[in-house]
Amino acid sequence: QKEVEQNSGPLSVPEGAIASLNCTYSDRGSQSFFWYRQYSGKSPELIMFIYSNGDKEDGRFTAQLNKASQYVSLLIRDSQPSDSATYLCAVNRDSNYQLIWGAGTKLIIKP
Amino acid sequence: DAGVIQSPRHEVTEMGQEVTLRCKPISGHDYLFWYRQTMMRGLELLIYFNNNVPIDDSGMPEDRFSAKMPNASFSTLKIQPSEPRDSAVYFCASSLFGGPGNQPQHFGDGTRLSIL
Repeated sequence: QKEVEQNSGPLSVPEGAIASLNCTYSDRGSQSFFWYRQYSGKSPELIMFIYSNGDKEDGRFTAQLNKASQYVSLLIRDSQPSDSATYLCAVNRDSNYQLIWGAGTKLIIKP
Repeated sequence: DAGVIQSPRHEVTEMGQEVTLRCKPISGHDYLFWYRQTMMRGLELLIYFNNNVPIDDSGMPEDRFSAKMPNASFSTLKIQPSEPRDSAVYFCASSLFGGPGNQPQHFGDGTRLSIL
């Protein structure tokens, strides 16, 4: 079992709909959770991070964390074609600042 | 504020040559990370530094790879001799200390390395 798992996709969502991206992790001691967006040929770009159970909203993006079930999700409301990218989930396992990365989910927003 | 700066952006060289990748972290950041990204293996951590000291180099694939951080504003990743399987995009990232594992990493634009 991989430490951080994501569905590779592609996930196809119509423009204007809600895109839901999921990530599960294996280590219950994980403390911090990050979502990065990576456009083709570009570097990963931080979208959001979350530490506490529950929801965290930032504009059209909402991160949801459930430590009991060991999953973190990213919701994108009112999806736009410019949201088409690969979304990487990263988990900080302990206090040594290493991030454990998922393989990423490719999201396609269809106009 | 300037972000993480990497050079060169692209490097094409022949097998057996020495390759040096460079990184300037965000000013004030005390953690620096070197990653490699390929389609097959995704994003892999190679090594990371805290206050210029290497903390974990377990991701360095073999002795051909070495990394240094002579001061807080500069790091290098060297491959000698290079091999075609080293072809990948190499990213440098930096972050700020802020308590146990709660500071995001900021990435440079990467170096696209091709070994012929």
